Amino acid sequence: GESVGLHLPTLSVQEGDNSIINCAYSNSASDYFIWYKQESGKGPQFIIDIRSNMDKRQGQRVTVLLNKTVKHLSLQIAATQPGDSAVYFCAEISSLSGYSTLTFGKGTMLLVSP
Amino acid sequence: GAVVSQHPSWVICKSGTSVKIECRSLDFQATTMFWYRQFPKQSLMLMATSNEGSKATYEQGVEKDKFLINHASLTLSTLTVTSAHPEDSSFYICSARFPSGIVNEQYFGPGTRLTVT
Repeated sequence: GESVGLHLPTLSVQEGDNSIINCAYSNSASDYFIWYKQESGKGPQFIIDIRSNMDKRQGQRVTVLLNKTVKHLSLQIAATQPGDSAVYFCAEISSLSGYSTLTFGKGTMLLVSP
Repeated sequence: GAVVSQHPSWVICKSGTSVKIECRSLDFQATTMFWYRQFPKQSLMLMATSNEGSKATYEQGVEKDKFLINHASLTLSTLTVTSAHPEDSSFYICSARFPSGIVNEQYFGPGTRLTVT
């Protein structure tokens, strides 16, 4: 289930389940979005990106969905594995800033139990 | 993929002293590097954007005289935390943008854990 910690929401799933991590953004001018994975004590790793002229993009075991109407982004991870345990951040960027600045969302911690 | 390194990976310093963190792009030249700060269980907050050969651009609320940034070469940017205080204890992460300028070609370093006692 999903719970909200002091600062970081947590999603706990069983190995093999599909995980859905959600992200709301506020800047309607944002036109490019990226999902990052951050393992404990490490820097963020690029997972997948999507432009605002798309509503879905698929990668290996991951799918990103974009709903511009409600300014919502989701990351779906299929057949979640213990190695997927990490904090996941969405990040947005706007062409208005010249694509110069990434703004990170609050993040969700994904815990995968064997 | 492109690799960004940071040194040191962790550092402990006494209050009032200064500490320097290095960020290097190992296999590409980065005209733009970014410095972020991350407190426990929180997101990354951009501190400043560093362009090679010019002054860094700081985000609102970030003291430029306290967080000195030098981007002296295309592969090295440094962040110096001057007169460090315990509230500066944080995880500092740099990233470097690949010369193509495409947003998703921005690579992050492994971070530096700073503890000020």
